Amino acid sequence: EVQLVESGGGLVQPGGSLRLSCAASGFSFGTYWMSWVRQAPGKGLEWVANIKEDGSDKYYVGSVKGRFTISRDNAKNSLFLQVNSLRVEDTAIYYCARDGACTTTTCALDYWGQGTLVTVSS
Amino acid sequence: QSVLTQPPSVSGAPGQRVTISCTGSSSNIGAGYDVHWYQQLPRKAPKLLIYGISNRPSGVPDRFSGSRSGTSASLAITGLQADDEADYYCQSYDSSLSGSWVFGGGTKLTVL
Repeated sequence: EVQLVESGGGLVQPGGSLRLSCAASGFSFGTYWMSWVRQAPGKGLEWVANIKEDGSDKYYVGSVKGRFTISRDNAKNSLFLQVNSLRVEDTAIYYCARDGACTTTTCALDYWGQGTLVTVSS
Repeated sequence: QSVLTQPPSVSGAPGQRVTISCTGSSSNIGAGYDVHWYQQLPRKAPKLLIYGISNRPSGVPDRFSGSRSGTSASLAITGLQADDEADYYCQSYDSSLSGSWVFGGGTKLTVL
């Protein structure tokens, strides 16, 4: 059974940092692109970043470029998101998801974790 | 403002058919990039409902179907049930943006 379990969220002041983690199990982690998606309270989904199977390619939504860094450790079946220079508007549930249902043009996120809440407030 | 536009809400009575639209442009759906749909039940993580315009993952009932026409895509739900009440999101790729994926703003489905 595919499982994705996020951790590392919490309350942080504006300008602060956190490292979010996602522990994967039940599939060959190192053979899939992986994504982070966030959802602000009462708002819709926003894709944040994704990373290639071997970590050699990474993409980010414009609003987090230069502040967030996605990485992975395939030996430990783990995905990470380092979030720096946090802003109030970064407050959200952060989901880890697998880019697993791919067509010739795009990929759908076929498995999701339950999310970890990041609250940025003074 | 998302590059993929969905109606904020739709509603229907049990047993009825509803559709949810996802309107894009020539840099996303109109360019031929596939569209995927997700269902998010209250206080739950999103779940993949339809991928590649019209493909259903294992376990998703055939009451859910997808289609595309021009710069838009649609999700249709037939035989509406009370537990279909949820938020629905479309997702695709946009070549004018620097990232990978984009989501629509989401549509709240209310079963009357």
